[in-house]
Amino acid sequence: QVQLQESGPGLVKPSGTLSLTCAVSGGSIISNNRWSWVRQPPGKGLEWIGEAHHGGDTKYSPSLKSRVTISLDKSKNQFSLNLNSVTAADTAIYFCTSQSGWYVDYWGQGILVTVSS
Amino acid sequence: QSALTQPPSASGSLGQSVTISCTGTNSDVGRYKHVSWYQQHSGKAPKLMIYEVSERPSGVPDRFSGSKSGNTASLTVSGLQAEDEADYYCSSYADSKSYVFGSGTNVAVL
Repeated sequence: QVQLQESGPGLVKPSGTLSLTCAVSGGSIISNNRWSWVRQPPGKGLEWIGEAHHGGDTKYSPSLKSRVTISLDKSKNQFSLNLNSVTAADTAIYFCTSQSGWYVDYWGQGILVTVSS
Repeated sequence: QSALTQPPSASGSLGQSVTISCTGTNSDVGRYKHVSWYQQHSGKAPKLMIYEVSERPSGVPDRFSGSKSGNTASLTVSGLQAEDEADYYCSSYADSKSYVFGSGTNVAVL
Protein backbone atom coordinates (compact mmCIF):
# COMPACT_ATOMS: atom_id res chain seq x y z
CA GLN A 1 0.00 0.00 0.00
CA VAL A 2 1.38 3.39 -1.00
CA GLN A 3 2.11 5.82 1.82
CA LEU A 4 2.74 9.51 1.28
CA GLN A 5 4.28 12.11 3.59
CA GLU A 6 4.46 15.83 2.91
CA SER A 7 7.22 18.08 4.20
CA GLY A 8 8.22 21.70 3.81
CA PRO A 9 7.90 25.17 5.35
CA GLY A 10 4.65 25.96 7.11
CA LEU A 11 5.03 29.69 6.48
CA VAL A 12 5.81 31.46 3.21
CA LYS A 13 6.03 35.20 2.58
CA PRO A 14 3.76 36.89 0.03
CA SER A 15 5.25 36.96 -3.48
CA GLY A 16 7.57 34.11 -2.49
CA THR A 17 7.65 30.49 -3.64
CA LEU A 18 5.88 27.66 -1.87
CA SER A 19 7.96 24.47 -2.08
CA LEU A 20 6.79 21.10 -0.75
CA THR A 21 8.11 17.57 -1.04
CA CYS A 22 6.26 14.28 -0.82
CA ALA A 23 8.10 11.12 0.21
CA VAL A 24 6.67 7.94 -1.30
CA SER A 25 6.88 4.57 0.46
CA GLY A 26 5.30 1.22 -0.31
CA GLY A 27 5.45 1.99 -4.02
CA SER A 28 7.75 3.27 -6.75
CA ILE A 29 7.69 6.72 -8.26
CA ILE A 30 8.41 5.05 -11.62
CA SER A 31 5.24 2.97 -11.52
CA ASN A 32 2.30 3.81 -13.77
CA ASN A 33 0.75 5.96 -11.04
CA ARG A 34 0.42 9.69 -11.51
CA TRP A 35 1.69 11.76 -8.61
CA SER A 36 -0.38 14.79 -7.79
CA TRP A 37 -1.20 17.60 -5.38
CA VAL A 38 -4.56 18.73 -4.02
CA ARG A 39 -5.11 21.68 -1.69
CA GLN A 40 -7.83 22.78 0.70
CA PRO A 41 -8.09 26.30 2.12
CA PRO A 42 -9.09 26.22 5.80
CA GLY A 43 -12.81 25.48 6.10
CA LYS A 44 -13.26 25.25 2.32
CA GLY A 45 -13.37 22.67 -0.46
CA LEU A 46 -10.77 20.69 -2.36
CA GLU A 47 -8.84 21.99 -5.39
CA TRP A 48 -6.78 19.80 -7.73
CA ILE A 49 -3.43 21.43 -8.49
CA GLY A 50 -1.75 19.10 -10.95
CA GLU A 51 -0.05 15.77 -11.62
CA ALA A 52 3.13 14.30 -13.02
CA HIS A 53 4.10 10.91 -14.44
CA HIS A 54 7.61 9.45 -14.52
CA GLY A 55 7.39 9.36 -18.32
CA GLY A 56 7.56 13.16 -18.30
CA ASP A 57 3.89 14.02 -18.80
CA THR A 58 2.55 16.78 -16.53
CA LYS A 59 -0.89 18.35 -16.28
CA TYR A 60 -1.91 21.40 -14.27
CA SER A 61 -5.07 23.17 -13.21
CA PRO A 62 -5.81 25.92 -15.75
CA SER A 63 -6.17 28.45 -12.93
CA LEU A 64 -2.70 27.68 -11.49
CA LYS A 65 -0.80 26.61 -14.61
CA SER A 66 1.23 29.80 -14.91
CA ARG A 67 2.61 29.49 -11.35
CA VAL A 68 3.01 25.78 -10.64
CA THR A 69 5.58 23.07 -11.32
CA ILE A 70 5.41 19.43 -10.21
CA SER A 71 8.56 17.36 -10.57
CA LEU A 72 9.69 13.81 -9.70
CA ASP A 73 12.97 12.75 -8.09
CA LYS A 74 13.45 9.11 -9.07
CA SER A 75 16.64 8.72 -7.02
CA LYS A 76 14.83 9.68 -3.80
CA ASN A 77 11.41 8.21 -4.67
CA GLN A 78 9.74 11.53 -3.99
CA PHE A 79 8.02 14.33 -5.83
CA SER A 80 7.73 18.06 -5.33
CA LEU A 81 5.45 21.04 -5.74
CA ASN A 82 6.61 24.57 -6.48
CA LEU A 83 4.07 27.40 -6.53
CA ASN A 84 5.45 30.87 -7.14
CA SER A 85 4.14 34.40 -6.61
CA VAL A 86 2.01 33.27 -3.68
CA THR A 87 -0.63 35.40 -1.97
CA ALA A 88 -2.84 34.89 1.06
CA ALA A 89 -5.29 33.05 -1.24
CA ASP A 90 -2.74 30.24 -1.49
CA THR A 91 -2.99 29.53 2.26
CA ALA A 92 -4.25 25.97 2.47
CA ILE A 93 -3.66 22.42 3.58
CA TYR A 94 -1.65 20.80 0.78
CA PHE A 95 -2.11 17.06 0.21
CA CYS A 96 0.21 14.99 -1.91
CA THR A 97 -1.72 12.23 -3.64
CA SER A 98 -1.40 9.25 -5.94
CA GLN A 99 -3.65 8.38 -8.86
CA SER A 100 -3.67 4.86 -10.31
CA GLY A 101 -6.65 5.74 -12.49
CA TRP A 102 -8.89 8.72 -13.03
CA TYR A 103 -9.20 9.26 -9.29
CA VAL A 104 -7.07 9.80 -6.19
CA ASP A 105 -6.60 6.55 -4.32
CA TYR A 106 -3.91 7.51 -1.82
CA TRP A 107 -3.55 10.71 0.19
CA GLY A 108 -0.87 12.10 2.45
CA GLN A 109 -1.94 13.47 5.83
CA GLY A 110 -1.66 17.04 4.55
CA ILE A 111 0.49 20.00 5.54
CA LEU A 112 -0.80 23.47 6.37
CA VAL A 113 1.01 26.25 4.54
CA THR A 114 0.26 29.82 5.55
CA VAL A 115 1.18 32.77 3.34
CA SER A 116 1.89 35.74 5.55
CA SER A 117 4.56 38.34 6.18
CA GLN B 1 -13.18 25.97 -14.65
CA SER B 2 -15.80 26.21 -11.89
CA ALA B 3 -16.29 23.80 -9.03
CA LEU B 4 -19.01 21.20 -9.48
CA THR B 5 -22.20 22.14 -7.65
CA GLN B 6 -23.20 20.17 -4.55
CA PRO B 7 -25.79 21.02 -1.88
CA PRO B 8 -24.01 22.46 1.20
CA SER B 9 -25.71 20.03 3.54
CA ALA B 10 -27.80 16.89 3.68
CA SER B 11 -29.12 14.77 6.53
CA GLY B 12 -30.84 11.54 7.33
CA SER B 13 -31.81 9.46 10.33
CA LEU B 14 -29.90 6.41 11.46
CA GLY B 15 -30.71 3.55 9.12
CA GLN B 16 -32.26 5.79 6.48
CA SER B 17 -30.79 6.86 3.13
CA VAL B 18 -29.37 10.11 1.86
CA THR B 19 -28.52 11.10 -1.71
CA ILE B 20 -26.07 13.84 -2.65
CA SER B 21 -26.10 15.43 -6.09
CA CYS B 22 -23.12 16.76 -8.04
CA THR B 23 -23.92 18.94 -11.04
CA GLY B 24 -21.37 19.83 -13.67
CA THR B 25 -21.44 20.56 -17.39
CA ASN B 26 -21.05 18.70 -20.66
CA SER B 27 -17.33 19.48 -20.42
CA ASP B 28 -16.85 17.36 -17.32
CA VAL B 29 -19.51 15.21 -15.61
CA GLY B 30 -21.65 14.99 -18.72
CA ARG B 31 -18.80 13.92 -20.99
CA TYR B 32 -16.74 11.53 -18.90
CA LYS B 33 -17.31 8.40 -16.84
CA HIS B 34 -14.41 9.52 -14.62
CA VAL B 35 -16.50 10.69 -11.65
CA SER B 36 -15.32 9.87 -8.14
CA TRP B 37 -16.53 10.57 -4.60
CA TYR B 38 -14.52 11.21 -1.44
CA GLN B 39 -15.42 11.15 2.25
CA GLN B 40 -13.61 13.51 4.61
CA HIS B 41 -13.93 13.42 8.37
CA SER B 42 -12.97 16.58 10.24
CA GLY B 43 -9.22 17.08 10.37
CA LYS B 44 -8.49 14.04 8.21
CA ALA B 45 -7.44 13.41 4.65
CA PRO B 46 -10.21 12.49 2.19
CA LYS B 47 -10.92 8.83 1.43
CA LEU B 48 -11.97 7.42 -1.93
CA MET B 49 -15.49 5.96 -1.73
CA ILE B 50 -16.59 5.63 -5.39
CA TYR B 51 -14.70 5.82 -8.69
CA GLU B 52 -15.72 5.60 -12.35
CA VAL B 53 -19.25 6.76 -11.40
CA SER B 54 -20.31 3.59 -9.57
CA GLU B 55 -17.31 1.41 -8.70
CA ARG B 56 -16.46 0.78 -5.04
CA PRO B 57 -12.86 0.32 -3.89
CA SER B 58 -12.10 -2.71 -1.79
CA GLY B 59 -13.16 -2.14 1.82
CA VAL B 60 -15.87 0.43 1.13
CA PRO B 61 -19.26 -0.84 2.36
CA ASP B 62 -21.88 -1.61 -0.28
CA ARG B 63 -24.12 0.91 1.48
CA PHE B 64 -22.33 3.47 -0.71
CA SER B 65 -23.42 3.62 -4.34
CA GLY B 66 -22.97 6.04 -7.24
CA SER B 67 -24.79 6.88 -10.44
CA LYS B 68 -24.87 9.49 -13.18
CA SER B 69 -27.48 10.98 -15.48
CA GLY B 70 -26.54 13.68 -17.95
CA ASN B 71 -24.52 16.39 -16.23
CA THR B 72 -25.41 15.25 -12.70
CA ALA B 73 -23.79 12.50 -10.66
CA SER B 74 -25.18 11.21 -7.38
CA LEU B 75 -23.91 9.43 -4.29
CA THR B 76 -26.38 7.45 -2.18
CA VAL B 77 -25.61 6.27 1.33
CA SER B 78 -28.09 3.64 2.46
CA GLY B 79 -28.58 2.41 6.02
CA LEU B 80 -26.95 5.52 7.47
CA GLN B 81 -24.59 4.93 10.35
CA ALA B 82 -23.09 7.41 12.80
CA GLU B 83 -19.65 7.08 11.21
CA ASP B 84 -21.05 8.27 7.86
CA GLU B 85 -21.29 11.79 9.27
CA ALA B 86 -18.65 13.66 7.25
CA ASP B 87 -18.05 15.96 4.31
CA TYR B 88 -18.42 14.42 0.85
CA TYR B 89 -16.82 15.70 -2.35
CA CYS B 90 -17.37 14.65 -5.93
CA SER B 91 -14.73 15.01 -8.62
CA SER B 92 -14.69 14.70 -12.40
CA TYR B 93 -12.14 14.66 -15.18
CA ALA B 94 -12.63 17.64 -17.48
CA ASP B 95 -11.96 18.79 -21.06
CA SER B 96 -9.08 20.91 -19.81
CA LYS B 97 -7.20 17.65 -19.07
CA SER B 98 -7.49 18.40 -15.38
CA TYR B 99 -9.82 17.49 -12.55
CA VAL B 100 -12.50 19.54 -10.89
CA PHE B 101 -13.91 18.93 -7.42
CA GLY B 102 -17.36 19.64 -6.11
CA SER B 103 -18.12 22.31 -3.54
CA GLY B 104 -18.68 19.70 -0.85
CA THR B 105 -21.68 18.44 1.14
CA ASN B 106 -21.80 18.04 4.90
CA VAL B 107 -23.84 14.98 5.81
CA ALA B 108 -25.42 14.89 9.25
CA VAL B 109 -26.82 11.72 10.78
CA LEU B 110 -29.80 12.54 12.96
